[in-house]
Amino acid sequence: NAGVTQTPKFRVLKTGQSMTLLCAQDMNHEYMYWYRQDPGMGLRLIHYSVGEGTTAKGEVPDGYNVSRLKKQNFLLGLESAAPSQTSVYFCASRRTALNTEAFFGQGTRLTVV
Amino acid sequence: AQSVTQLDSQVPVFEEAPVELRCNYSSSVSVYLFWYVQYPNQGLQLLLKYLSGSTLVKGINGFEAEFNKSQTSFHLRKPSVHISDTAEYFCAVSEAGNTPLVFGKGTRLSVIA
Repeated sequence: NAGVTQTPKFRVLKTGQSMTLLCAQDMNHEYMYWYRQDPGMGLRLIHYSVGEGTTAKGEVPDGYNVSRLKKQNFLLGLESAAPSQTSVYFCASRRTALNTEAFFGQGTRLTVV
Repeated sequence: AQSVTQLDSQVPVFEEAPVELRCNYSSSVSVYLFWYVQYPNQGLQLLLKYLSGSTLVKGINGFEAEFNKSQTSFHLRKPSVHISDTAEYFCAVSEAGNTPLVFGKGTRLSVIA
């Protein structure tokens, strides 16, 4: 009963390096989201997807790219990491947008030095 | 577009005292409302949700919230808090349709023995 699984849980990057965060859900949910959490800022939406092969920008998309090639996976990429991208990243999935709650992964703590 | 305001960033309260965490939202259409809890170094867990019907919603761990459409509020309450309720609480709103969850900035509840 895994739910939403994020990989990795922790990562330290040097400025300019790239990396991909993986989110996998086993609930056959259509909708998936990437949020970042910063102190005092709550959760801010980076990108989201309403189905396989679709992506859309959220509130803070700059510096990130995403892909949803398979329904169960949602990848978040950082092409050239910056210290401002130091944050905790949460993935969430939702059955549909209509009257359902989102289920969250345990988070990825990313530090860019 | 919808938005959420959590009026208190921090709420200290003594054990066994009642607590209210305030949440106001703005939206021009029908909304779905949620409260999530985040314990230290963990992901977000759903406390309760309002989708339709009764405006008083009961959730886990003895929490409840009341949807007030005229006040555009969804305040969270608990009659008697425990030390274990110490956590960060997030209010979130989703408009009917294909819109992502939008979160408030969170309220840190500290229960004092």
